[in-house]
Amino acid sequence: KQEVTQIPAALSVPEGENLVLNCSFTDSAIYNLQWFRQDPGKGLTSLLLIQSSQREQTSGRLNASLDKSSGRSTLYIAASQPGDSATYLCAVIQGGSEKLVFGKGTKLTVNP
Amino acid sequence: DTGVSQDPRHKITKRGQNVTFRCDPISEHNRLYWYRQTLGQGPEFLTYFQNEAQLEKSRLLSDRFSAERPKGSFSTLEIQRTEQGDSAMYLCASSPRTGTSNTGELFFGEGSRLTVL
Repeated sequence: KQEVTQIPAALSVPEGENLVLNCSFTDSAIYNLQWFRQDPGKGLTSLLLIQSSQREQTSGRLNASLDKSSGRSTLYIAASQPGDSATYLCAVIQGGSEKLVFGKGTKLTVNP
Repeated sequence: DTGVSQDPRHKITKRGQNVTFRCDPISEHNRLYWYRQTLGQGPEFLTYFQNEAQLEKSRLLSDRFSAERPKGSFSTLEIQRTEQGDSAMYLCASSPRTGTSNTGELFFGEGSRLTVL
């Protein structure tokens, strides 16, 4: 059974700092990995998707990497801003499955 | 393209009542998913449709839950005889995943929050 773990559960940083969020998964036979952002009481916004054959994806100040063999992904946020404050969720789709399996998320607070 | 739309956004009901949520996916997305999220947890898979066919249901989806997607367009999720444990955010997502070349990216709506008193 696939399990996704995100560390840390919460992170507080000053504005302008670069930071890394971690995601690990137990079964490396994944189809893709997706990072989402969730604001309080809101739905999920897709940030980046990495296919199983890819190593990284970039969008603006965000960079996500994937090491499938070790079951790890990182989300790097450069020059953090207060508007980046949210919960960041990592999820994987298992090969041959249709289910996204989510971690519990990392709650990020960027202090002005 | 207005994204995935869910209605209502908030529903407060008394235990034992029935509730129904509606999801309108992104047009031309043939796959539609329902997830449930409780406070402090990641979303959990409930069920998914490819066009009008419901292809998989989670064990979380008890007999009190039923989902439909008539004509392969919008979907409804009904909960009968609600219990306090049903209180959660119900999230809908759609995906254009068809064939092997698609990325499988899911696009979520804003969710429907259910509070059972």
